[in-house]
Amino acid sequence: AQSVTQLGSHVSVSEGALVLLRCNYSSSVPPYLFWYVQYPNQGLQLLLKYTSAATLVKGINGFEAEFKKSETSFHLTKPSAHMSDAAEYFCAVSPPVGYQKVTFGTGTKLQVIP
Amino acid sequence: GAGVSQTPSNKVTEKGKYVELRCDPISGHTALYWYRQSLGQGPEFLIYFQGTGAADDSGLPNDRFFAVRPEGSVSTLKIQRTERGDSAVYLCASSPGTGELFFGEGSRLTVL
Repeated sequence: AQSVTQLGSHVSVSEGALVLLRCNYSSSVPPYLFWYVQYPNQGLQLLLKYTSAATLVKGINGFEAEFKKSETSFHLTKPSAHMSDAAEYFCAVSPPVGYQKVTFGTGTKLQVIP
Repeated sequence: GAGVSQTPSNKVTEKGKYVELRCDPISGHTALYWYRQSLGQGPEFLIYFQGTGAADDSGLPNDRFFAVRPEGSVSTLKIQRTERGDSAVYLCASSPGTGELFFGEGSRLTVL
């Protein structure tokens, strides 16, 4: 079975500071990995995905994530936080084929302090 | 619209009643997923369909929950004899097979 663990249910950063949201995965085969964002009262939307091509993946709104097999990690980063980044972020994992069960982490709520 | 549509957006029911939640996926997406999200938690997998058949229903919590997708498009999640613990936001997503899920805004179910 595949799973992801998100370290830190709440993260606070100052506006302009680095954003780092942590995700570690467990999988018996190289997985597909995803980050989704959920703004208040909205549905989840994809930020970025890793599907076994480049290990550094760039997404929307300046976010990026690096797949590190040796550390089984897929941490999400953004160099400079903006107030509009305040939201809940979910890491997710699936087997490396298109139509498969996708398993989500418990989420990290990002607060941006002005 | 072009996105995933879920109805109703809010449903309040009494304990013991039957509930149906509907999902209209993006046209052409062959995979459809149902998740449940409780307050402060991540989406919990319930079931996913490939075409008309349930490819994986391992997340359905018990036999009170059932989902169908008879024509390979619209899906209905059915909950019998609702319990207060069923209260949550039920999320539907569809996928074109790239791994990416496109979510609707959810149906919030409250069981009194």
